[in-house]
Amino acid sequence: NAGVMQNPRHLVRRRGQEARLRCSPMKGHSHVYWYRQLPEEGLKFMVYLQKENIIDESGMPKERFSAEFPKEGPSILRIQQVVRGDSAAYFCASSITGTGQSAGELFFGEGSRLTVL
Amino acid sequence: SQQGEEDPQALSIQEGENATMNCSYKTSINNLQWYRQNSGRGLVHLILIRSNEREKHSGRLRVTLDTSKKSSSLLITASRAADTASYFCATDAWGGAQKLVFGQGTRLTINP
Repeated sequence: NAGVMQNPRHLVRRRGQEARLRCSPMKGHSHVYWYRQLPEEGLKFMVYLQKENIIDESGMPKERFSAEFPKEGPSILRIQQVVRGDSAAYFCASSITGTGQSAGELFFGEGSRLTVL
Repeated sequence: SQQGEEDPQALSIQEGENATMNCSYKTSINNLQWYRQNSGRGLVHLILIRSNEREKHSGRLRVTLDTSKKSSSLLITASRAADTASYFCATDAWGGAQKLVFGQGTRLTINP
């Protein structure tokens, strides 16, 4: 049973370029979360998605950042016109909990480390 | 902010000793979870304690929850070098959107 798969593991971009991070949740999981982690800090919630729906994007910057979780294929976190401050580790997690229930255990990927030059 | 705050930020102990980490939060919760992160890796779930539970055990881990004080503690007994990692608490706000909010973490170092 494959875990949460993220790619690329490492990504280097120059300022102004676009970064696309992909996440395939665990089999049977329909809930996906994206978190950002700066060095030596905790994880900051960005967005929570279910298939084809954004449930909570309260942690997403209003500009340049977008996320999707299409009916088919992985979830994508897209960062347009990257700046140096976007350099961080971006973690995806998935869960199996359903609507109306509390958040259960999250299964994390190994993260995508973005470096903006 | 609902964010959990871990205390201490860093802890260094000798192998075999017990390690205790604390977490405080601000709002009512459905549950509280503890995760471990090894350097450069993703987070791994350790234990979940529901708001109506006061204590939970899993192997060498013991978690307590005091909802009146909005705090939790994680105890690792008989620590091993392999326990060296960062430990995070995460809370799921009651009535919230099922998202987990993480604290800043405690960096635990076990010295051989």
